[in-house]
Amino acid sequence: QSVLTQPPSASGTPGQRVTISCSGSSSNIGSNTVNWYQQLPGTAPKLLIYSNNERPSGVPDRFSGSKSGTSASLAISGLQSEDEADYYCAAWDDSLNGALFGGGTKLIVL
Amino acid sequence: QVYLQESGPGLVKPSETLSLTCTVSGDSIGSYYWSWIRQPPGKGLEWIGYIYYSGSTNYNPSLKSRVTISIDTSKNQFSLKLSSVTAADTAVYYCARTHYSKYFDYWGRGTLVTVSP
Repeated sequence: QSVLTQPPSASGTPGQRVTISCSGSSSNIGSNTVNWYQQLPGTAPKLLIYSNNERPSGVPDRFSGSKSGTSASLAISGLQSEDEADYYCAAWDDSLNGALFGGGTKLIVL
Repeated sequence: QVYLQESGPGLVKPSETLSLTCTVSGDSIGSYYWSWIRQPPGKGLEWIGYIYYSGSTNYNPSLKSRVTISIDTSKNQFSLKLSSVTAADTAVYYCARTHYSKYFDYWGRGTLVTVSP
């Protein structure tokens, strides 16, 4: 049911900067804010970025979010081994009148 | 700090009703929205629905005919019922606090529910 499109995987080496894209439509990303969640292996998702580019307390500033039109991106700079996780974008969808998640991107730290 | 804990049977038979409860501590359930989200094994996240402390609800249209979310403010709990389950409903079920801006800021650890005879 994922109407938000993410690449299934991404990779980088320690210290690198990686970006993960999230593409939607006018009824979701185009008219609502985007949130990002990090899911470490075997754990519950954790809020990483909210309202396009805000970080909850405790989230390192290596993580940043941006949005333009109907697309959004998550950037991770200074990649670390502990960043290896699944990342999900999410946004409210006005047509669905509910929350939509992207399919998730598995980040591999080489 | 807000803590959420899911509880309920880990095994449900096909065609029966899945019932889960989320107990909230560290915050009053009498504010915010409260959601259920699920994740089939090896797959992505799916929002099931939310309830406001007043009792108003909003459900994913794909599940709406089978879902009921209720709230008990006296116990600081909210609950999920999903009827007529099939194997496709096998998933880890999470409860989450839902900010007014519609993001999920606190999550429970999740509970695996398997639908099997």
